Amino acid sequence: DIQMTQSPSSLSASGGDRVTITCRASQGINNYLAWYQQKPGKVPKLLIYAASTLQSGVPSRFSGSGSGTDFTLTISSLQPEDVAAYYCQKYDGVPLTFGGGTKVEIK
Amino acid sequence: QVQLVQSGAEVKKPGASVKVSCKASGYTFTNYGIIWVRQAPGQGLEWMGWISAYNGNTHYPQKLQGRVTMTTDSSTSTAFMELRSLRSDDTAVYYCARKGEARPPDYWGQGTLVTVSS
Repeated sequence: DIQMTQSPSSLSASGGDRVTITCRASQGINNYLAWYQQKPGKVPKLLIYAASTLQSGVPSRFSGSGSGTDFTLTISSLQPEDVAAYYCQKYDGVPLTFGGGTKVEIK
Repeated sequence: QVQLVQSGAEVKKPGASVKVSCKASGYTFTNYGIIWVRQAPGQGLEWMGWISAYNGNTHYPQKLQGRVTMTTDSSTSTAFMELRSLRSDDTAVYYCARKGEARPPDYWGQGTLVTVSS
């Protein structure tokens, strides 16, 4: 099975900072890569799919990039409401493996 | 609007079974699959399996093979996830989510807390 490795596992940044989270697949996944945001006590929310397509209604400060095995989620200017855990997930086929998650905090 | 509404919280004893439901509305149920995901307290998201609402095909991870069964009832647009031989480490919030062909899971249920405790 393909493994999904996210880094870092947590980060703390100042408001307005640019934040980058990476996700690496152990094999190519044809860009079938999604990013989710999960705020404490809430349901995961789809942010980005197909590695770089923003889901409707998601603020434009979120962006995704990458292809093949290496992917990145970027928050261009961190806002207080972005405090959350972020997960990548492959969806090219089963198993639909998640990355381990990244907790984003504000300093 | 698309909605997935799950059944309520459950408390079970070790060795028991639990069956969680996920009622879909706002779309053609059989045009999509349903995945189940769980999240233990303070932990990440774990994919538990997938079922096609069109033909009932399923796929489960090796870790849960033999303990989990996913089914659907197209007459009520409802998906079910049954987990047997419960252990304390099955304590988690269980989510269902809609998944289309070559699409990521997009709409999620509100989650169902299953607590396994003697």
